[in-house]
Amino acid sequence: DTGVSQNPRHKITKRGQNVTFRCDPISEHNRLYWYRQTLGQGPEFLTYFQNEAQLEKSRLLSDRFSAERPKGSFSTLEIQRTEQGDSAMYLCASSSAGQGHSYEQYFGPGTRLTVT
Amino acid sequence: AQSVSQHNHHVILSEAASLELGCNYSYGGTVNLFWYVQYPGQHLQLLLKYFSGDPLVKGIKGFEAEFIKSKFSFNLRKPSVQWSDTAEYFCAVTSSSNTGKLIFGQGTTLQVKP
Repeated sequence: DTGVSQNPRHKITKRGQNVTFRCDPISEHNRLYWYRQTLGQGPEFLTYFQNEAQLEKSRLLSDRFSAERPKGSFSTLEIQRTEQGDSAMYLCASSSAGQGHSYEQYFGPGTRLTVT
Repeated sequence: AQSVSQHNHHVILSEAASLELGCNYSYGGTVNLFWYVQYPGQHLQLLLKYFSGDPLVKGIKGFEAEFIKSKFSFNLRKPSVQWSDTAEYFCAVTSSSNTGKLIFGQGTTLQVKP
């Protein structure tokens, strides 16, 4: 399968714990995006990378959130000191900038986080 | 700030009925528009997209959408729905910068009765 993959698919954690999610984009894609989706809402943009550079962060991304894409391939999203309000589906998407379809993003299955 | 509004939150249709889902966006510049679909238990998939040119775009599975610039709209249509079209549909627009980040509407849940 050459699509976007995310791990884990589900994560249950206690409030105050740290969690880390991983996203593996489509191999030739240089752009990687993180979104968050809560029940009954559309995905909301969190941050994006072009290669290894994090070029934009949403105001939704508090200081407890950090994302990396160290070698321009996979990315991790870490949430420190989780709160119940962090419970959501975290989606990763990738795209290939500079070509005719630079804005066509391919989404992974998401990681569902439940904070108890 | 850019925003996307989907008028219908929950639509119930019988098979063979025609479908039209409304989508309006707020942004005065050049836009790229998308419809994504999420079938039960699956991830978001691109249904169709508009970048430029013919404002009537055709997507997968018989879906089409029409971009009307003067109305800031990008409505999704299908002449005859099937039970397998039961899913959640999201309209999205790219931001004004070159980041490509998507601004999504809140989604419309379509339930097709057999």
